[in-house]
Amino acid sequence: QKEVEQNSGPLSVPEGAIASLNCTYSDRGSQSFFWYRQYSGKSPELIMSIYSNGDKEDGRFTAQLNKASQYVSLLIRDSQPSDSATYLCAVKVPGNTPLVFGKGTRLSVIA
Amino acid sequence: SQTIHQWPATLVQPVGSPLSLECTVEGTSNPNLYWYRQAAGRGLQLLFYSVGIGQISSEVPQNLSASRPQDRQFILSSKKLLLSDSGFYLCAWSVIGGTEAFFGQGTRLTVV
Repeated sequence: QKEVEQNSGPLSVPEGAIASLNCTYSDRGSQSFFWYRQYSGKSPELIMSIYSNGDKEDGRFTAQLNKASQYVSLLIRDSQPSDSATYLCAVKVPGNTPLVFGKGTRLSVIA
Repeated sequence: SQTIHQWPATLVQPVGSPLSLECTVEGTSNPNLYWYRQAAGRGLQLLFYSVGIGQISSEVPQNLSASRPQDRQFILSSKKLLLSDSGFYLCAWSVIGGTEAFFGQGTRLTVV
């Protein structure tokens, strides 16, 4: 069974701090990794994708991937109250198969 | 550019009534299409996915069904709703054989 595990939180960080969100996955065949942000009552929005080991930076967001450890993380620098949301980790194996989602981590940025 | 439309945004239905939720994608051909459900405070549960017209894979046995009558149209149905069918229903699409998925705005269904 393919599983994606995330700490449900809530993770509370002060404004301006770095928020660190973590995700582990069970299927070693996974090749594509994604972070979605979901505001309360809204649909998930893709914010980051990563396919190779290492770091990928996009503005205040950095995704980190370690396939050997089956671990993906998302760092949010200079956290803002507007970053308060649930962050969903998703992984995919090659081929015409659906994404497998974790249950999400709720982030609260305190002003 | 590609867009996904899902309607209605909210729906209140009595127990035992039928359901039909529709999703259409514009700006792409032969997309993969997905129906997810998110119960209150829970994760995303994949219900159905389709890789082509008439091709539906069911992930969870239940009183819901899905159909894909046209290339870019995906419909979620039920003949008789249960209280447990309440939730946030999300349609999504991806490029065939592709990676990331993109979500519609969702339908919040309350069964009373």
